Amino acid sequence: GENVEQHPSTLSVQEGDSAVIKCTYSDSASNYFPWYKQELGKRPQLIIDIRSNVGEKKDQRIAVTLNKTAKHFSLHITETQPEDSAVYFCAASFASGGSYIPTFGRGTSLIVHP
Amino acid sequence: NAGVMQNPRHLVRRRGQEARLRCSPMKGHSHVYWYRQLPEEGLKFMVYLQKENIIDESGMPKERFSAEFPKEGPSILRIQQVVRGDSAAYFCASSPTDRRGETQYFGPGTRLLVL
Repeated sequence: GENVEQHPSTLSVQEGDSAVIKCTYSDSASNYFPWYKQELGKRPQLIIDIRSNVGEKKDQRIAVTLNKTAKHFSLHITETQPEDSAVYFCAASFASGGSYIPTFGRGTSLIVHP
Repeated sequence: NAGVMQNPRHLVRRRGQEARLRCSPMKGHSHVYWYRQLPEEGLKFMVYLQKENIIDESGMPKERFSAEFPKEGPSILRIQQVVRGDSAAYFCASSPTDRRGETQYFGPGTRLLVL
């Protein structure tokens, strides 16, 4: 099955700095890679996703890059703000029985200090 | 368009009791996924259902756990004879199709505490 590794587990930055979270996956058949943000006590919410036919995607202060050869993808947040503080999960979609079940990383706790 | 609904939001059970968790997908969504999240950990897939069908239950323990998604009404995740290790947040997500790469929308979760 798919295995997704996510690093770091905790990331502490100063407001205005950039933050980078990295994930690797094992199943070369995976072709959809969403990122979710989960604030304390709340539901995971999709913030950006990328498909394997694209190498990079950007949405305002967040961007995701994908390297299919190396099987890794990264989330980049620029000009971080305190409200960016949350747990971020990467995922890789894995074909199982004809449907595509995402496998999640263990999460990165991002802390942005004002 | 209401989002994914889950109830109850919090559930306390004693060891040996049954827990029933309900999930109503977004309007127009016919695919439901259940995940379990332990403290400080990621989301672990449990089961994927379509209306009246279990498509993939590879992540669900064989004992004590069951899930259904009837033709009418919400999806139900049922845990019989709960143990302390079942304490976790249980999230459901829905999607409109099962095409590759379809985005999943999560509910607010049910936080189960087993005493």
